[in-house]
Amino acid sequence: QVQLVESGGGVVQPGGSLRLSCAASGFTFSSYGMHWVRQVPGKGLEWVAFIRNDGNTKYYADPVKGRFTISRDNSKNTLYLQMNSLRAEDTAIFYCAKTSGVSWGVFDYWGQGILVTVSS
Amino acid sequence: EIVMTQSPATLSVSPGERATLSCRASQSVSSKLAWYQQKPGQAPRLLIYDASTRATGIPPRFSGSGSGTEFTLTISSLQSEDFALYYCQQFDTWPLTFGGGTKVDIK
Repeated sequence: QVQLVESGGGVVQPGGSLRLSCAASGFTFSSYGMHWVRQVPGKGLEWVAFIRNDGNTKYYADPVKGRFTISRDNSKNTLYLQMNSLRAEDTAIFYCAKTSGVSWGVFDYWGQGILVTVSS
Repeated sequence: EIVMTQSPATLSVSPGERATLSCRASQSVSSKLAWYQQKPGQAPRLLIYDASTRATGIPPRFSGSGSGTEFTLTISSLQSEDFALYYCQQFDTWPLTFGGGTKVDIK
């Protein structure tokens, strides 16, 4: 069955950096685009970034453009999110999500989420 | 960006009753609309995509309709496990955007 397991979260000071990982299993990782979506605890969902299956196309939400970088290693079945210049407003639960076979923009499986806290 | 607006924010329904949730897009998204369910402490779960197609394993009491800017999620007969938060999401245009959510709670 499809499994997505995030890691790398924690507490970081404003201006700091963090790299999230998402280990994928149960499907052919190299065939699917992947996303990061975040959620401030108790609030709504916000799409963060997308990477195509081959890594050649990437899209970002405006609030993270220039600060976050999505990448993947298909040989390791792992998705990454490098987060630099972190701000308090980046505090959220970060989910990795797999695209469906129907569209790049539909998330058919999600990880359990990892909390990132930006605080001094 | 396309703004998605969900109404109502909270819907109080008795078990066995029908629930109707609305989602409006600030511009046409054709049928590129998905619905997700989220329970406390859990990740969202895909319910509906392409406005009306149920995802794998989703029971038929969940149905979606609409196109363009107006969409509806209907739960025909609410079960105890359906009390949760529901989000709509457009995938017509980048950036992908979600509605603010509708909480379905027990009346």
